[in-house]
Amino acid sequence: SYVLTQPPSVSVAPGQTARITCGGNNIGSTSVHWYQQKPGQAPVLVVYDDSDRPSGIPERFSGSNSGDTATLTISRVEVGDEADYHCQVWDRSHPCVFGGGTKLTVL
Amino acid sequence: DVQLVESGGGLVQPGGTVKLSCIGSGFTFRTYSMNWVRQAPGKGLEWVSYISSTSSTKNYADSVEGRFTVSRDNAMNSLYLQMNSLRDEDTAIYYCARGVGYSYLLTWGQGILVTVSS
Repeated sequence: SYVLTQPPSVSVAPGQTARITCGGNNIGSTSVHWYQQKPGQAPVLVVYDDSDRPSGIPERFSGSNSGDTATLTISRVEVGDEADYHCQVWDRSHPCVFGGGTKLTVL
Repeated sequence: DVQLVESGGGLVQPGGTVKLSCIGSGFTFRTYSMNWVRQAPGKGLEWVSYISSTSSTKNYADSVEGRFTVSRDNAMNSLYLQMNSLRDEDTAIYYCARGVGYSYLLTWGQGILVTVSS
């Protein structure tokens, strides 16, 4: 089965830029989606189709995808961005797959 | 507002059964595919099942294939997950999620806890 690899944790100071990676074999050939999950809450879609944002998601959230790595970038990080972030892919070759999740800590 | 509300969870013994329900509102339920996703305590997200808008296609994770059955009633804006032969490792929060085809999960419910334990 297809495996998505995320770093367990990323730390960043407020106002700086956080980059969370999602590794997978030739992941650049499929669409990647990202979810934010705050403690005790359900996941929320923050980026879909590699780099699009749903309505209501700040422009500070952006994404890219190429080769074997997709990246979620959060600019001008705020304390309220502290959460777990999950990447996800789904195409005809393999069913819905999530990465292991990355805990973003805002120092 | 778009809303998904799950119900039906609780404590169940190993080998037992439970049926989860999810009611959608604020959107045209019958036009969207739906999914179940679970999260074991302290763990990541695991996709469980997919059902197309017309129920013509159903998919399952290998870990639940043959034990879980997904269904929906578009007249009632409802999604269901029948869970049989439950195991300890099925203990998790179960989320229903509105999907966009075989792609991303646009909206999630608040989740419902299922605990499998003797």
